[in-house]
Amino acid sequence: DAGITQSPRHKVTETGTPVTLRCHQTENHRYMYWYRQDPGHGLRLIHYSYGVKDTDKGEVSDGYSVSRSKTEDFLLTLESATSSQTSVYFCAATTGQGTGNTIYFGEGSWLTVV
Amino acid sequence: AQSVTQLGSHVSVSEGALVLLRCNYSSSVPPYLFWYVQYPNQGLQLLLKYTSAATLVKGINGFEAEFKKSETSFHLTKPSAHMSDAAEYFCAVRGGGADGLTFGKGTHLIIQP
Repeated sequence: DAGITQSPRHKVTETGTPVTLRCHQTENHRYMYWYRQDPGHGLRLIHYSYGVKDTDKGEVSDGYSVSRSKTEDFLLTLESATSSQTSVYFCAATTGQGTGNTIYFGEGSWLTVV
Repeated sequence: AQSVTQLGSHVSVSEGALVLLRCNYSSSVPPYLFWYVQYPNQGLQLLLKYTSAATLVKGINGFEAEFKKSETSFHLTKPSAHMSDAAEYFCAVRGGGADGLTFGKGTHLIIQP
């Protein structure tokens, strides 16, 4: 058990509405990540965090923002959802940057923007 | 910067046959390499990881991978495929920074009875 839970697991929303996905971890991991998974693209990094209030952009950050006000929670916000943001979103976390530190994944959040 | 290329978006093998999933990497620093498996509608589970301690890495479910620096490869193998191996497999590289993993596009493994 990786101790990472995502909510909601499934959501349908309308174009133009804001959406927030939550990632909660119980293992005191310092580093947390948000990825999106799309057919033919694998997983692509949206944003990551290297500590409370410390975040940075990933490969596909346009249209997304994140916040981390405490160690255990990493929030991903779609400021104004578009159909191109229909995807499966995965949160991940790890304790350190070294090779001994496995990156663990949550179960995913399926988002459909109509 | 690092990148990963997985050859073959779909691989089909017969039950009991050898499984070979190919992964080539590019990295400007000594790479940390990983294979993850994803079953339908689930998250990613770590199969194995290369930590530079040994070039042949054994993982869960009978899988193993060999790191070959000269070929910049980290191919995943299993001697005898089982129906339960049907899944999506991702190779990933990590450069040692805070920005996590860079994934390949994945290979869908199909097991024929």
